[in-house]
Amino acid sequence: NAGVTQTPKFRVLKTGQSMTLLCAQDMNHEYMYWYRQDPGMGLRLIHYSVGEGTTAKGEVPDGYNVSRLKKQNFLLGLESAAPSQTSVYFCASRGLKRNEQFFGPGTRLTVL
Amino acid sequence: GDSVTQMEGPVTLSEEAFLTINCTYTATGYPSLFWYVQYPGEGLQLLLKATKADDKGSNKGFEATYRKETTSFHLEKGSVQVSDSAVYFCALSGTGGGSNYKLTFGKGTLLTVNP
Repeated sequence: NAGVTQTPKFRVLKTGQSMTLLCAQDMNHEYMYWYRQDPGMGLRLIHYSVGEGTTAKGEVPDGYNVSRLKKQNFLLGLESAAPSQTSVYFCASRGLKRNEQFFGPGTRLTVL
Repeated sequence: GDSVTQMEGPVTLSEEAFLTINCTYTATGYPSLFWYVQYPGEGLQLLLKATKADDKGSNKGFEATYRKETTSFHLEKGSVQVSDSAVYFCALSGTGGGSNYKLTFGKGTLLTVNP
């Protein structure tokens, strides 16, 4: 039981490049989330999903897109990376009955 | 909307000292409250939680009591260890209006415990 996994762990991009971050969970959770963590800002919700095929915007969605084609996977895309998107990205999931979220180990992204 | 305010760090303590990290919240209804811990280079882990007023969450020697009257959920530990050095986040899960499956986080408090 791996819990929540994220790929890749580290990535460096140049401004304007695109990339996709992959989150996978093996707990059969309905809800999945993408956060970004910046110094002094805590965690801010980018997008979330309440089920397969559905996504919704969070607090800071601009510049990001997401897809939830399979229940166990939640992808975060950056179409044209900007230096302001340099951050640590965390994925999380939770089930229907219990309201605590389970977090992945994070992806550290640097945009030059 | 919902919000969480926690004391700003960093907090530096000596081993075996008493720890308090303050957390207050603003939310409608009766949110669930959480403390998460983030060790260096890792993701967040749930430390403890409370789901209704006067509940006390506890884990690994840490405790926090849900105080509805003061809208607070302060984290305490009687005797900290070097291994407790981490960032601690207070969070809430709201009620109704689509907020019951989202977490609102405080900005985090960095704790460093020296031997």
